Amino acid sequence: NAGVTQTPKFQVLKTGQSMTLQCAQDMNHEYMSWYRQDPGMGLRLIHYSVGAGITDQGEVPNGYNVSRSTTEDFPLRLLSAAPSQTSVYFCASSSQGLSNQPQHFGDGTRLSIL
Amino acid sequence: GENVEQHPSTLSVQEGDSAVIKCTYSDSASNYFPWYKQELGKGPQLIIDIRSNVGEKKDQRIAVTLNKTAKHFSLHITETQPEDSAVYFCAASREEAQKLVFGQGTRLTINP
Repeated sequence: NAGVTQTPKFQVLKTGQSMTLQCAQDMNHEYMSWYRQDPGMGLRLIHYSVGAGITDQGEVPNGYNVSRSTTEDFPLRLLSAAPSQTSVYFCASSSQGLSNQPQHFGDGTRLSIL
Repeated sequence: GENVEQHPSTLSVQEGDSAVIKCTYSDSASNYFPWYKQELGKGPQLIIDIRSNVGEKKDQRIAVTLNKTAKHFSLHITETQPEDSAVYFCAASREEAQKLVFGQGTRLTINP
């Protein structure tokens, strides 16, 4: 049982480039979410999904897009990378489509924008 | 929206002593309060959680207390061990909001 798998683990981009961070879970969880982690600011919610075909904005959604075509996958797209998006990105999932269930986190994608 | 404040940002204790991390929240409707532990290079992992209908919960050396009136909750680790060294995050949410809001994190160091 792999849990939550994030790829890639590391990425360096140039300003203006686009890319997709991948997240997959094999626990049949309905709720999935993306966070960014910056020093001294904890984890901030970017986007979340309570089930396939349903997404919504979190605290810091600007510059990011998501889609949820399957229960297993929840990719995060950076449309035009900016240095302010340099961060560590975590994907998480939980059962029952609720945020107040234990969140299972991936090991993160470390992204640098030059 | 919900705002969660966590203190202290860093905490250093001697092995065997106790550690306490405190969080306050702003939304009185929040009813779920988890604590996560993050080890270097890994994602956060749930260590304990408490719901608003309970004032205290214990799991071996770890306990969480909740004061709904004052809107604060705390993590207590007793008999600390070197493997307790990590970053700890508190969080809060209410079911209908579908959003989990995290505190800023506490870096706990256990000195041998």
